[in-house]
Amino acid sequence: NAGVTQTPKFRILKIGQSMTLQCTQDMNHNYMYWYRQDPGMGLKLIYYSVGAGITDKGEVPNGYNVSRSTTEDFPLRLELAAPSQTSVYFCASSPPGRSTGQGSGYEQYFGPGTRLTVT
Amino acid sequence: AQSVTQLGSHVSVSEGALVLLRCNYSSSVPPYLFWYVQYPNQGLQLLLKYTSAATLVKGINGFEAEFKKSETSFHLTKPSAHMSDAAEYFCAVRANAGNNRKLIWGLGTSLAVNP
Repeated sequence: NAGVTQTPKFRILKIGQSMTLQCTQDMNHNYMYWYRQDPGMGLKLIYYSVGAGITDKGEVPNGYNVSRSTTEDFPLRLELAAPSQTSVYFCASSPPGRSTGQGSGYEQYFGPGTRLTVT
Repeated sequence: AQSVTQLGSHVSVSEGALVLLRCNYSSSVPPYLFWYVQYPNQGLQLLLKYTSAATLVKGINGFEAEFKKSETSFHLTKPSAHMSDAAEYFCAVRANAGNNRKLIWGLGTSLAVNP
């Protein structure tokens, strides 16, 4: 399994441009997440999905959009890029697991990240 | 609000010394707790997890963590630091509510290992 893959690895955008960050997982995980990571600020959840066709906002959704048409793919769309969106973006997925007991899922598996600069 | 506190944003140890990274959490449900490691310019990798089994959890690379309910703590330790342990470490707890398997994250601790 390749796990969670993200493309591109690096991108420089001009203010006002748009782009899509791609995320794919081959582990048949129901749950998927997009985070951004800024120095000293930890991980902030942008959007998440509990399954194909279902998405919801996280802590910092403004300026972003997502879709989940398949179990495998969870792209993140940036419209009208702003300097405040300069960050490292991580996609993660989580298995369904069992509802109780040991090894009940919840662990998240991360992609390698996309480093985005908006100038 | 639910939270994870990692005491010390930067920790420095000598090679061969004990590593202790502290994590305290809040949770209104039985907690599931996690430690992740992030090497420079990489994604996060699961080190170990606690999901209500043994309170002393062993992970990869010689790390272990002990769940102490009375102290709401889940500190990460390693008996002897290696240069390759230099990285950012994150503690996380499962969110109280919702069927979304979200995690609440600490801000991270940067570990430096000195020769």
